[in-house]
Amino acid sequence: ETGVTQSPTHLIKTRGQQVTLRCSSQSGHNTVSWYQQALGQGPQFIFQYYREEENGRGNFPPRFSGLQFPNYSSELNVNALELDDSALYLCASSPAHNEQFFGPGTRLTVL
Amino acid sequence: GEDVEQSLFLSVREGDSSVINCTYTDSSSTYLYWYKQEPGAGLQLLTYIFSNMDMKQDQRLTVLLNKKDKHLSLRIADTQTGDSAIYFCAEITPGAGSYQLTFGKGTKLSVIP
Repeated sequence: ETGVTQSPTHLIKTRGQQVTLRCSSQSGHNTVSWYQQALGQGPQFIFQYYREEENGRGNFPPRFSGLQFPNYSSELNVNALELDDSALYLCASSPAHNEQFFGPGTRLTVL
Repeated sequence: GEDVEQSLFLSVREGDSSVINCTYTDSSSTYLYWYKQEPGAGLQLLTYIFSNMDMKQDQRLTVLLNKKDKHLSLRIADTQTGDSAIYFCAEITPGAGSYQLTFGKGTKLSVIP
């Protein structure tokens, strides 16, 4: 069984650019959540998708948006990148509400 | 609002037991979790406990929950150098249809050979 995968592994962008990060959920998992982990901090919840609908959002501005596809894979889009967006972005998929399994993350650097 | 607190560092000798502590504030938490993060990697789910349980044991790992004091601990028996990592405590609370994890800042465990 393949676990959660994310692409790309690393990414460097400049301020003002836009970025798309991708996540393939584990087989059979219909819920995907995205988290931002700044250096030295715990992950912060961005939003969650269940069956292609956003069903919860953390304290992040609208320039953070997402999609979930019929195969339950997901994208995180960030517009107008700021220096503080530099972080590890983690995707987690769930078969049920009580277990979230994380991918290896995408390291985003904004210069 | 929700808040999860952990001590930032713990150092133990190989073979000793490690105890990592965590406090949380949201009494509506349904599940509490321990995740492990190795350098440059994602989060590995170690174990979790339902809020109506006091204890859960899984091989070398023992989780204790004191719901009255909102205190959670993770004990690692016979700690090995491979256990060196950052350990995150997290709670899950249902909110507006989603189940979001709220994490502490993590405890860095260093195992001395």
